[in-house]
Amino acid sequence: AQSVTQLDSHVSVSEGTPVLLRCNYSSSYSPSLFWYVQHPNKGLQLLLKYTSAATLVKGINGFEAEFKKSETSFHLTKPSAHMSDAAEYFCVVGNAGNNRKLIWGLGTSLAVNP
Amino acid sequence: DAGITQSPRHKVTETGTPVTLRCHQTENHRYMYWYRQDPGHGLRLIHYSYGVKDTDKGEVSDGYSVSRSKTEDFLLTLESATSSQTSVYFCAIRMELNTGELFFGEGSRLTVL
Repeated sequence: AQSVTQLDSHVSVSEGTPVLLRCNYSSSYSPSLFWYVQHPNKGLQLLLKYTSAATLVKGINGFEAEFKKSETSFHLTKPSAHMSDAAEYFCVVGNAGNNRKLIWGLGTSLAVNP
Repeated sequence: DAGITQSPRHKVTETGTPVTLRCHQTENHRYMYWYRQDPGHGLRLIHYSYGVKDTDKGEVSDGYSVSRSKTEDFLLTLESATSSQTSVYFCAIRMELNTGELFFGEGSRLTVL
């Protein structure tokens, strides 16, 4: 069985400060992991993905995430927040070969203050 | 980038009426999906398709049907809409077979009064 937990429903940071959005997962086999971003009234866009290659994954817009098997975590980070980063972020765990098995986190709302 | 168009983008309807949402892609991606997004529930899979006339149920398929008569179109039908089906509906296509990456449309907001 698979599950995903986003540990914070809301995160607020100041512009220029680091961003940390936390995600823990549970999977009975080697998972694929994704982070998606959703800006207000928009569709979802893939930020980055882990599929059993390098454990440090770099994505778009300066975001990156590190797969830590021992901690069952896939936290999303960015060194310096920008106002345009304000959005909803979703952590997703799945079996890469079967999208029916994608499990979505409930999302973390990121606010960026000037 | 793959082009996905959802229509209508916004719809208000009354309980008991049929509703059809359309998802159109401009490329020949095999896999297409319908999700609904609700506060507190994240994204939940309604139905998906793995080819023309090939569809299967997701986790919240009750009250919904789908059809895929052409590669480019995936229709979601609510035969008799209920207030619990008020939601934002997203269509997605699978970009890469092995990684599971999805590309989403911009959503269709449905309100059932």
